[in-house]
Amino acid sequence: EVQLLESGGGLVQPGGSLRISCAASGFNLDNYAMHWVRQAPGKGLEWVSGISGRGTDTSYADSVRGRLTISRDNSKNTLYLQMHSLRAEDTAIYYCAKDRYLGSVVIMGLFDYWGQGTLVTVSS
Amino acid sequence: EIVLTQSPGTLSLSPGERATLSCRASQSVRSSYLAWYQHKPGQAPRLLIYGAASRATGIPDRFSGSGSGTDFTLTISRLEPEDFAVYYCQQYGKSRTFGQGTKVEIK
Repeated sequence: EVQLLESGGGLVQPGGSLRISCAASGFNLDNYAMHWVRQAPGKGLEWVSGISGRGTDTSYADSVRGRLTISRDNSKNTLYLQMHSLRAEDTAIYYCAKDRYLGSVVIMGLFDYWGQGTLVTVSS
Repeated sequence: EIVLTQSPGTLSLSPGERATLSCRASQSVRSSYLAWYQHKPGQAPRLLIYGAASRATGIPDRFSGSGSGTDFTLTISRLEPEDFAVYYCQQYGKSRTFGQGTKVEIK
């Protein structure tokens, strides 16, 4: 059974940094791209970033490029999102999501499994 | 960026009724790379439809998707109590973008 469990969310001041994690199980992480998708309070879903199965290729939404960095450690079955220069508009539930397409170098962006999310609040 | 516009914003229906949700793209979606998700408060989103018309694993056949190019539709043939939720369309042909969502509520 595929399971994704996010952790590391919390309250951070504007301009601050935070790293959130996603522990994956139930599938071979090396073979699938992984993504972060967020939902701000009262808003819809927004794709944030994706990383290929091998970790060699990454992709970012324009709204976060240069401030957020996605990475993965397949030996630990874990996905990360390092966040810097955080803004109030980054406040959201951050979901970890698995790509449906098999392939270690592909980033498609079709999400077949999601975690429950971790809340990041940026406020003074 | 491909902008997806969903309509209506809210759909008020009774159990047993048919629901028709629309998703219109600002430009053609490559290879019909269009998906639909169901999202309930406090839960993880759930993939329903991909490739515009293919049901994901375990999705009941009352859910169906259709369309191509810039116009796509999700149909729920007969609403069950557990189907009341927010539904999002998403394209993955050129980067990845979501529509703003359609809330299906109990009338």
